[in-house]
Amino acid sequence: EDKVVQSPLSLVVHEGDTVTLNCSYEVTNFRSLLWYKQEKKAPTFLFMLTSSGIEKKSGRLSSILDKKELFSILNITATQTGDSAVYLCAVMEYGNKLVFGAGTILRVKS
Amino acid sequence: EAQVTQNPRYLITVTGKKLTVTCSQNMNHEYMSWYRQDPGLGLRQIYYSMNVEVTDKGDVPEGYKVSRKEKRNFPLILESPSPNQTSLYFCASSFSTDTQYFGPGTRLTVL
Repeated sequence: EDKVVQSPLSLVVHEGDTVTLNCSYEVTNFRSLLWYKQEKKAPTFLFMLTSSGIEKKSGRLSSILDKKELFSILNITATQTGDSAVYLCAVMEYGNKLVFGAGTILRVKS
Repeated sequence: EAQVTQNPRYLITVTGKKLTVTCSQNMNHEYMSWYRQDPGLGLRQIYYSMNVEVTDKGDVPEGYKVSRKEKRNFPLILESPSPNQTSLYFCASSFSTDTQYFGPGTRLTVL
């Protein structure tokens, strides 16, 4: 059965901290891995990763994929209260099926 | 403004009363999809569509129907809703199957 597992389930940090969110997967026909941010409404797209070892970066957020070990990480540096959200990892398979993990709840305290 | 719209945004209904949740996008996207989101389970794909008249089952299609008669619309139909279909539903669309744009969500309660 295809699955995407995120860890930790939740964490609380202070502003300025750096956090690392993890996503491991077991799917039949991997095509790409996506990260989304969800703040009490619809998920918004962060990154799409298809190749191992190539870091995607956007401001304080970055992500990398390891297709050999079947995982990805999402890093957030110098966290701010506005980073508080649920972060979702999803894997797109060939055949167009999309499998989401349960998400990591991040709370950044001021 | 490029967007995905869903209606209604909130719905409370009773068991067995057929309902339809509409989804429309104005970005000329080929790919559209429906998800439900439940606490602890994340987003689970119900159905998806690669183009007009092409639909496929996702992970949890039981109890749902969809149709794709026009490119912009992808309604979700619950012929006989049951309480276990109480959930938050999202519609999404994209040009490719990767970077999806989500609608605002529909919170459904089935009593």
